[in-house]
Amino acid sequence: SAVISQKPSRDICQRGTSLTIQCQVDSQVTMMFWYRQQPGQSLTLIATANQGSEATYESGFVIDKFPISRPNLTFSTLTVSNMSPEDSSIYLCSGRWTGELFFGEGSRLTVL
Amino acid sequence: GESVGLHLPTLSVQEGDNSIINCAYSNSASDYFIWYKQESGKGPQFIIDIRSNMDKRQGQRVTVLLNKTVKHLSLQIAATQPGDSAVYFCAENTALSGGYNKLIFGAGTRLAVHP
Repeated sequence: SAVISQKPSRDICQRGTSLTIQCQVDSQVTMMFWYRQQPGQSLTLIATANQGSEATYESGFVIDKFPISRPNLTFSTLTVSNMSPEDSSIYLCSGRWTGELFFGEGSRLTVL
Repeated sequence: GESVGLHLPTLSVQEGDNSIINCAYSNSASDYFIWYKQESGKGPQFIIDIRSNMDKRQGQRVTVLLNKTVKHLSLQIAATQPGDSAVYFCAENTALSGGYNKLIFGAGTRLAVHP
């Protein structure tokens, strides 16, 4: 299996600031994704992180708010920009390896 | 972690009973379905999958049933144990352009196993 590590695991942020979440995979994965999981809810796909090109965003998510980088096959970052309390959520990185989708433990952000 | 499943529907079962968790999916073109288990404070973990050309697949203590006519999936857990307590999500695979795919998750069900 692929092991996915996320940093930070949790953070408390002030309104109006930005935070970058890092995702490191121990194997080269074909595809990486970022999901959001709001308290008590299911996972919502934010975007597909494409290696060497711009991410593909789902409806309701835009690059200015959630810029994503993927410089190589094992690493990606998600930035949550100009945060508001509504951005308080768990952000999950995932990677597809040998056909299966593996997840990190998530980054729990609380915005005050 | 501790807030996962707080507002989701809950299925309560006695230890040793069989559990059935249901899921409706939306896209009739989806060709692949997966069940995930999410414990408090952790990311989702793969349990079992099924392709659209099958209607049943069995694993160790788990069985997935697929009914494409009504776009319905179910996960059956035999002899449920306290360690099965978690939130369970179904996910459907949707094709992207260029031959790639993405997973869309269903609403989720919290399974509570009582001794």
